[in-house]
Amino acid sequence: QSVLTQPPAVSAAPGQRVTISCSGTNANIGNNFVSWYQQFRGTAPNLLIYDNNKRPSGIPDRFSGSKSGTSATLGITGLQTGDEADYFCATWDGSLSVWVFGGGTKLTVL
Amino acid sequence: QVQLVQSGAEVKEPGSSVKVSCKASGDTFSNYAISWVRQAPGQGLEWMGGIISMFGTTKYAQKFQGRVTITADKSTNTAYMELSSLNSEDTAMYYCARDVLRYCSDTICYHVYFDIWGQGSLVTVSS
Repeated sequence: QSVLTQPPAVSAAPGQRVTISCSGTNANIGNNFVSWYQQFRGTAPNLLIYDNNKRPSGIPDRFSGSKSGTSATLGITGLQTGDEADYFCATWDGSLSVWVFGGGTKLTVL
Repeated sequence: QVQLVQSGAEVKEPGSSVKVSCKASGDTFSNYAISWVRQAPGQGLEWMGGIISMFGTTKYAQKFQGRVTITADKSTNTAYMELSSLNSEDTAMYYCARDVLRYCSDTICYHVYFDIWGQGSLVTVSS
């Protein structure tokens, strides 16, 4: 069982917008930056969002992140079939000095 | 372009140990931490532990305490993860990841994200 809670799956049609939630506690999300990772089947995870809402170079602005209190949200607009992947949230738990992950959300673009 | 290149797949018998390597090319990881994250088949990501080579400090997830050892060789920019007393539940893909540190006070650091990942090393535990 993962420390951070994500929905197991979300789906939407091409061109639509989808959001993926990530819920934690004050010890982790509430007091630390959240990052998001995209993982295509059979490949390593890739950094998608860092510091709650920043995008690394090369990540399109269709991807966005936000945080409020002990929850974070990943948003994807203009969905493309190529966005089908698993998405994971993560943050540092400063009280335990460990990294914690969400269980991952499988995105299906119908 | 910084890359983390991991060692190849391993097949191990129950009760044995495995040691996976992670070599940084194009940069050193002296100002970062290196974390090890594993992913069992069809499952999510699980942090095992990490090392901050500039301090020589390690931190392990409670689940793996006593069974995992993470080391780093600064001269070759290579990190290692050794997992002992293997059982079938340890069958997984093991990733190393560069763990960005925002700031450190003494040897206590604030970790913010994983910016580079290795390609993964598949460890299969089977008799």
